[in-house]
Amino acid sequence: EVQLLASGGGLLQPGGSLRLSCAASGFTFSSRSMSWVRQAPGKGLEWVSSVSHNSGDILYADSVKGRFTISRDNSKNTVYLQMNGLRAEDTAVYYCADPADYWGQGTLVTVSS
Amino acid sequence: QAGLTQPPSVSKGLRQTATLTCTGNINNVGDQGAAWLQQHQGHPPKLLSYRNNNRPSGISERLSASRSGNTASLTITGLQPEDEADYYCSAWDSSLSAWVFGGGTKLTVL
Repeated sequence: EVQLLASGGGLLQPGGSLRLSCAASGFTFSSRSMSWVRQAPGKGLEWVSSVSHNSGDILYADSVKGRFTISRDNSKNTVYLQMNGLRAEDTAVYYCADPADYWGQGTLVTVSS
Repeated sequence: QAGLTQPPSVSKGLRQTATLTCTGNINNVGDQGAAWLQQHQGHPPKLLSYRNNNRPSGISERLSASRSGNTASLTITGLQPEDEADYYCSAWDSSLSAWVFGGGTKLTVL
């Protein structure tokens, strides 16, 4: 059974930093590109970032470019999202996913003063 | 990044058929197709159909996906109360080098 367990969310003030983790199991993690997708309260899905299977290709949405960094550790079957300079508009549930296949349960990030 | 276009809401009666649409362009839906996701309130999205229109294991045969040009469609027959949910399409955009999503369709089963 495929599992994507995201963790690391929380409540923090604007300008703060947070690192999300997503532990994968049940499939060959090292052969898959992985992404982070977020969903603001009551809103739709928004792609945030993707990393290729070997970290050779990394992409970001314009809304997070320069503030967020995606990475992965294939030895640990884990993908990360380092989020710096957080803003109120970054408040969302963050899902670890292959957007056309597997989805995790998400972790909530709330940015508020 | 530009997204895919979905109608905000569709309402159909119990046991009727609903067809949801997702319109993109030649760089996304028209290129590699669109996947379909179902999301119930408070839950993560769940894959209903791969971009090649095949259903994952365990997904009801009442659901079928198709594509015509730059528009993808998801048809649900014999609507049941549990089909009431938000439905999203997702596609890779080769021009933007980004994943794009539709704004979602809220399906109401009357």
